[in-house]
Amino acid sequence: GQNIDQPTEMTATEGAIVQINCTYQTSGFNGLFWYQQHAGEAPTFLSYNVLDGLEEKGRFSSFLSRSKGYSYLLLKELQMKDSASYLCAVRVLKAAGNKLTFGGGTRVLVKP
Amino acid sequence: DGGITQSPKYLFRKEGQNVTLSCEQNLNHDAMYWYRQDPGQGLRLIYYSQIVNDFQKGDIAEGYSVSREKKESFPLTVTSAQKNPTAFYLCASSIASTQYYEQYFGPGTRLTVT
Repeated sequence: GQNIDQPTEMTATEGAIVQINCTYQTSGFNGLFWYQQHAGEAPTFLSYNVLDGLEEKGRFSSFLSRSKGYSYLLLKELQMKDSASYLCAVRVLKAAGNKLTFGGGTRVLVKP
Repeated sequence: DGGITQSPKYLFRKEGQNVTLSCEQNLNHDAMYWYRQDPGQGLRLIYYSQIVNDFQKGDIAEGYSVSREKKESFPLTVTSAQKNPTAFYLCASSIASTQYYEQYFGPGTRLTVT
């Protein structure tokens, strides 16, 4: 089976930086996704990593270390609208097709 | 505009009744998925389908059933056998490939069973 861990909640100040860690244990690893989800809404795609290293996309960056089973999402220059849950999801390649397994999500609260 | 629609947004049912949640996509995606989300938790996979007329159980399929008669539609039935059906249900779709393709999510249906 898969086991994905991320912190439950984090608080940060507007304009600051926050790093959300995600650790995973899985077989058949085929990539790691980060999604943002505002309360009561659908998740929206933020980033994807399949190779080791850092992927940067504007204020958001995501890092992956496959050997350590570790990823982080870095949010820079925090804005109030960044208050949301951030979901780490591991893609596993199965004979029946790809499936995503999600972590429990990290709720980020941005304060003025 | 291309996208995924789920209806209704809110659904109320009495215990013991079956209920079917709708999911339609016009993205021409082969793969479709159903997830359940409980308050403060992540998403758990119920069923997924990579192609028409075929589907696979996810991690929590008990008490649910699906069909995939058309590429654009993947309805989910929550049966009376599901012990705790009240939850937020999300449908998603993607290109079916071993390469990287993200899943796109619908707006969700919040089901309350009393």
